[in-house]
Amino acid sequence: RKEVEQDPGPFNVPEGATVAFNCTYSNSASQSFFWYRQDCRKEPKLLMSVYSSGNEDGRFTAQLNRASQYISLLIRDSKLSDSATYLCVVRRNYGQNFVFGPGTRLSVLP
Amino acid sequence: EPEVTQTPSHQVTQMGQEVILRCVPISNHLYFYWYRQILGQKVEFLVSFYNNEISEKSEIFDDQFSVERPDGSNFTLKIRSTKLEDSAMYFCASSEEALAGGPGNEQFFGPGTRLTVL
Repeated sequence: RKEVEQDPGPFNVPEGATVAFNCTYSNSASQSFFWYRQDCRKEPKLLMSVYSSGNEDGRFTAQLNRASQYISLLIRDSKLSDSATYLCVVRRNYGQNFVFGPGTRLSVLP
Repeated sequence: EPEVTQTPSHQVTQMGQEVILRCVPISNHLYFYWYRQILGQKVEFLVSFYNNEISEKSEIFDDQFSVERPDGSNFTLKIRSTKLEDSAMYFCASSEEALAGGPGNEQFFGPGTRLTVL
């Protein structure tokens, strides 16, 4: 089983829609969780860290369920500029490297 | 806002040649990383570096690869004898801290160097 798995996508949604992405991780020792976005041929950019209590940043809400080893990202009122690939990223409690999921591509359509 | 910078943005080389990819991490960060992304695939960890030594490396980071912090600002990745399969985007990243679950362990990525091996 892959260490980080995500919805394969792509997600094509109209502007203003709400869209949710799911991610599961296999290593129960994982301690840090993040959502990054990546535009085509660009670097990953930090969208938000994900905390156990869940967190919200404007139109974006992230949730973590440690028991189910599941992370989610909700985007409300999607904008054209939200079109990108969303990367679920997990870090174990040992070691320093990030483990990236394969990403889910989102296209927001006018 | 401070950012990670990388040079060159694109490097084309012949198979068997040595390449050096350069990075300037964010100035107050202590932990540095290299990742690669083959076109159409996921981002993969290569190596992490702290206090002038490698702290962790992946299976990809074999004897053909090396890293160095030659001065107080640069962090380099050297590939000794490039292969066709080394063609990828190479990203440098840095973080303030490395303690998982703690503040400041977010990693910030540079714009990448696209390496093309012919």
